[in-house]
Amino acid sequence: GENVEQHPSTLSVQEGDSAVIKCTYSDSASNYFPWYKQELGKRPQLIIDIRSNVGEKKDQRIAVTLNKTAKHFSLHITETQPEDSAVYFCAASITDYKLSFGAGTTVTVRA
Amino acid sequence: SAVISQKPSRDICQRGTSLTIQCQVDSQVTMMFWYRQQPGQSLTLIATANQGSEATYESGFVIDKFPISRPNLTFSTLTVSNMSPEDSSIYLCSVELGARGNTEAFFGQGTRLTVV
Repeated sequence: GENVEQHPSTLSVQEGDSAVIKCTYSDSASNYFPWYKQELGKRPQLIIDIRSNVGEKKDQRIAVTLNKTAKHFSLHITETQPEDSAVYFCAASITDYKLSFGAGTTVTVRA
Repeated sequence: SAVISQKPSRDICQRGTSLTIQCQVDSQVTMMFWYRQQPGQSLTLIATANQGSEATYESGFVIDKFPISRPNLTFSTLTVSNMSPEDSSIYLCSVELGARGNTEAFFGQGTRLTVV
């Protein structure tokens, strides 16, 4: 089955700086790569996703890049704000199939 | 998006007992998924529940411990049977919505289970 590895496990950044989280996956058939943000005590919320027919996608301060050859994808958050503090999970799947999640990254934005 | 309601939101249970968690969706969905999230950990898929057929369980999870019902396209239940403290976790249901080939996964708010 799919194995998703995520790094780093914790990330502390100064407000206004950028944060980068990296994930690798094992199944070359995977073609859907979502990112979820989970605040303490709340459900995971989809923040951005990318499908294998594109290499990069951006939504305001958040961007995701995908390298299918190397089987890795990354989340980039620019101009970080305190409300970006949360746990972020990457995931991978074959379209319309079950998701495999990374271990999560706890992001802390220092004011 | 979808409105996904889980009940109960939390419970404290005695070891050896069972708890049934309900998941209600405001639209019809083909597949519903049940995840476990142990404290400080990632989400682990327990099983996929399809309407009209038996659930498909992931490695390490068995039907006797986690029986699932899926009586219609908007509802599912997960039972945690013969509970032990190791079953203390957050249990989340999830659905995928959207056109085929362009679906997104949405989660219920979770059920925080503590076994004492």
